[in-house]
Amino acid sequence: GDSVTQMEGPVTLSEEAFLTINCTYTATGYPSLFWYVQYPGEGLQLLLKATKADDKGSNKGFEATYRKETTSFHLEKGSVQVSDSAVYFCALSDNSGGSNYKLTFGKGTLLTVNP
Amino acid sequence: DGGITQSPKYLFRKEGQNVTLSCEQNLNHDAMYWYRQDPGQGLRLIYYSQIVNDFQKGDIAEGYSVSREKKESFPLTVTSAQKNPTAFYLCASTMSRVGTSGYNEQFFGPGTRLTVL
Repeated sequence: GDSVTQMEGPVTLSEEAFLTINCTYTATGYPSLFWYVQYPGEGLQLLLKATKADDKGSNKGFEATYRKETTSFHLEKGSVQVSDSAVYFCALSDNSGGSNYKLTFGKGTLLTVNP
Repeated sequence: DGGITQSPKYLFRKEGQNVTLSCEQNLNHDAMYWYRQDPGQGLRLIYYSQIVNDFQKGDIAEGYSVSREKKESFPLTVTSAQKNPTAFYLCASTMSRVGTSGYNEQFFGPGTRLTVL
């Protein structure tokens, strides 16, 4: 079945540091890939998405590129801020075989950014 | 503003009680979902519904029940059969249904934190 593996946290960085959160996936078809962010005590918000190979999703300074050859969708940001402290979830939607209703999530990575 | 609302934000339950969590959306989305989130874990799918009066079990449906009498509403009941109900519950919705084309971006509500006393 489908699965998503993301790096375990917690990740602690200083403000303005470079961020990478690794995400790899296993899927039977050609999935769409997502990064969601969850701020403390809140629901998930879509951060960015990519729907086909080599697409780059970007939002609020975050980027991730859909790499089919390495089945990866790593999240990056060049300079993090304290306000980026949150839990980040990588997810996929398998668009084949009638399974596109379901999102498969990674376990989440807690990011803490210190001033 | 369109969105998903969940109520209450915090809920306390005594052992042996059933409780119902509310989820309402005004996005005109077809599909709705309930997830459970535990510390250090990802989201696990409890139930989902693609259309009114129809719903399907997800990965961890035991001890839970749902109904979908209206397109905009998808309440979740946590029954006394759920042995470890303390968790954060998230409701989500999407426009797409199974078999339709396109990716499946899910929109989430703010969540309900359930604690068993």
